[in-house]
Amino acid sequence: DGGITQSPKYLFRKEGQNVTLSCEQNLNHDAMYWYRQDPGQGLRLIYYSQIVNDFQKGDIAEGYSVSREKKESFPLTVTSAQKNPTAFYLCASIGFRASYGYTFGSGTRLTVV
Amino acid sequence: DAKTTQPNSMESNEEEPVHLPCNHSTISGTDYIHWYRQLPSQGPEYVIHGLTSNVNNRMASLAIAEDRKSSTLILHRATLRDAAVYYCILSLSNAGGTSYGKLTFGQGTILTVHP
Repeated sequence: DGGITQSPKYLFRKEGQNVTLSCEQNLNHDAMYWYRQDPGQGLRLIYYSQIVNDFQKGDIAEGYSVSREKKESFPLTVTSAQKNPTAFYLCASIGFRASYGYTFGSGTRLTVV
Repeated sequence: DAKTTQPNSMESNEEEPVHLPCNHSTISGTDYIHWYRQLPSQGPEYVIHGLTSNVNNRMASLAIAEDRKSSTLILHRATLRDAAVYYCILSLSNAGGTSYGKLTFGQGTILTVHP
């Protein structure tokens, strides 16, 4: 079945460490997105990419980095510069025709220990 | 970016219709109106989207005002499984009529369904 796979589902990070969250889609979608969600809050856009080797900052990009070397992959690195990284991270994608809207992954819950 | 405004919460009884409103007074001519819903600790699920005309699918109906400054998601018969946070979102379209660009979420509406 086509979809978006985020891994791992749960991730623990020590303070000062960089961690990378994986997002892979086999939907042949062009655009991919990363969101952060804090408890009881809506989603905030971190980064998005509309084509391979190109990406744009969202509303809260500081302390995060991304790459888009392949169409199907859009990994997110949470760097040590992100002071409050504990959150639920969601990846999404959409295809050229957008007939079915955006598809979201099941999320990665990152906790700083 | 165009913003959306939704009520913080709504309640419904099972088997009754639910009308979830959304205001988007600064919508541009090429913005699509999307609706998603999210259960706790899960990713949002696509519900429906449209541009100008009303839309129906197996999950819901979307009624879009003639001036496009507001829309209403209609769940025809609410079930307990419809209890979720519902997000109304505007998606920037490019010149080709596809839906790209930033997809900005608001706080959404928490829908409670009573048995």
